[in-house]
Amino acid sequence: AQRVTQPEKLLSVFKGAPVELKCNYSYSGSPELFWYVQYSRQRLQLLLRHISRESIKGFTADLNKGETSFHLKKPFAQEEDSAMYYCALRNSGNTPLVFGKGTRLSVIA
Amino acid sequence: DAGITQSPRHKVTETGTPVTLRCHQTENHRYMYWYRQDPGHGLRLIHYSYGVKDTDKGEVSDGYSVSRSKTEDFLLTLESATSSQTSVYFCAISVTGRGIAGELFFGEGSRLTVL
Repeated sequence: AQRVTQPEKLLSVFKGAPVELKCNYSYSGSPELFWYVQYSRQRLQLLLRHISRESIKGFTADLNKGETSFHLKKPFAQEEDSAMYYCALRNSGNTPLVFGKGTRLSVIA
Repeated sequence: DAGITQSPRHKVTETGTPVTLRCHQTENHRYMYWYRQDPGHGLRLIHYSYGVKDTDKGEVSDGYSVSRSKTEDFLLTLESATSSQTSVYFCAISVTGRGIAGELFFGEGSRLTVL
């Protein structure tokens, strides 16, 4: 069965500090991994996807198949990064996404 | 926002009453999804649709039904609402051909309170 684990419910960091949001998954095949973000009073939106390997708003995430992880990282946190972050996976195409429980990031000024 | 809207945005109802939430899209995308968002549980899939009259169950489908009689509308019905169905409901569509293939775009959510 597909499962996504985000071990931290809440992560608080100071502005300018590095950020790492953890995501581990269980899946027997080769999944597609995503990070979605929900800012206050806004709809969920895609932050990044492992296939594209690009950096969005300074965030990056590397898929580590050996450790079955897809941690989200940013070297210097900004106050505007405060939001709810969800890691998600799917096996391919348009199959439904399976989400983790989410991590709330709070960046303290 | 990929032309996706949800209605109603807020609803308070009583236990045992039927409730229907509507998801409307303007771009004729094939795949549509209903998720519920609850603290400590994240987003969980209720039902999804892969075409008109083609639907399938998700992880938490008990107590919910869906219908898709036309491409643009995906309805979620709670036949007899219970307090455990108090939640925020999100509709999403899968968009291909623009941006990232198969990217999910979400509606603004429908907050349902069952008293």
